[in-house]
Amino acid sequence: DTEVTQTPKHLVMGMTNKKSLKCEQHMGHRAMYWYKQKAKKPPELMFVYSYEKLSINESVPSRFSPECPNSSLLNLHLHALQPEDSALYLCASSQELGQLPTDTQYFGPGTRLTVL
Amino acid sequence: AQSVTQLDSHVSVSEGTPVLLRCNYSSSYSPSLFWYVQHPNKGLQLLLKYTSAATLVKGINGFEAEFKKSETSFHLTKPSAHMSDAAEYFCVVRMEYGNKLVFGAGTILRVKS
Repeated sequence: DTEVTQTPKHLVMGMTNKKSLKCEQHMGHRAMYWYKQKAKKPPELMFVYSYEKLSINESVPSRFSPECPNSSLLNLHLHALQPEDSALYLCASSQELGQLPTDTQYFGPGTRLTVL
Repeated sequence: AQSVTQLDSHVSVSEGTPVLLRCNYSSSYSPSLFWYVQHPNKGLQLLLKYTSAATLVKGINGFEAEFKKSETSFHLTKPSAHMSDAAEYFCVVRMEYGNKLVFGAGTILRVKS
């Protein structure tokens, strides 16, 4: 089973709201990722967690705050977003943060975020 | 640095005819390469991967890709297109360290009935 689940599927929020995106996997993967995908563009990496510790932050604005409460869960907390933050937010996971074939990234279905 | 170039932004084929989506890569070492598919308003699904084993890689839904080092290519093919293949396809190379992915710009495949 290579399933990554994300909730909610859709989210509409105002610029003053606080909301959270959730990602879950039960494959025993120790690396988890957040990506942002704008329309008609490839995904862009935002954050990487390895063994529940933040490993990579691709200079993402502080209005995006990731959290990895345990090895199966990854959250993305949103606060004071801008309309240009509207996008599809994808979560992915892999066995490890390495180069082996087993370190292939598997993606969730995404959360479609609209900021008004 | 690693990079990928998808040579066609759009490809249109008739149902039942072959599919060819072209991808060239640039890498200073032996790369890991992937093809992912994204149906409208969906996440990315792994089609296949090359990780230094057999150069001809078979994936899901009848797709396959051949790693050609001399041509630095990793083209995706399918003998007979189905309407359900209509989607966007991303060719991806993994960076040398860690597990960061470098995505191509994507190719939108249209399948005509």
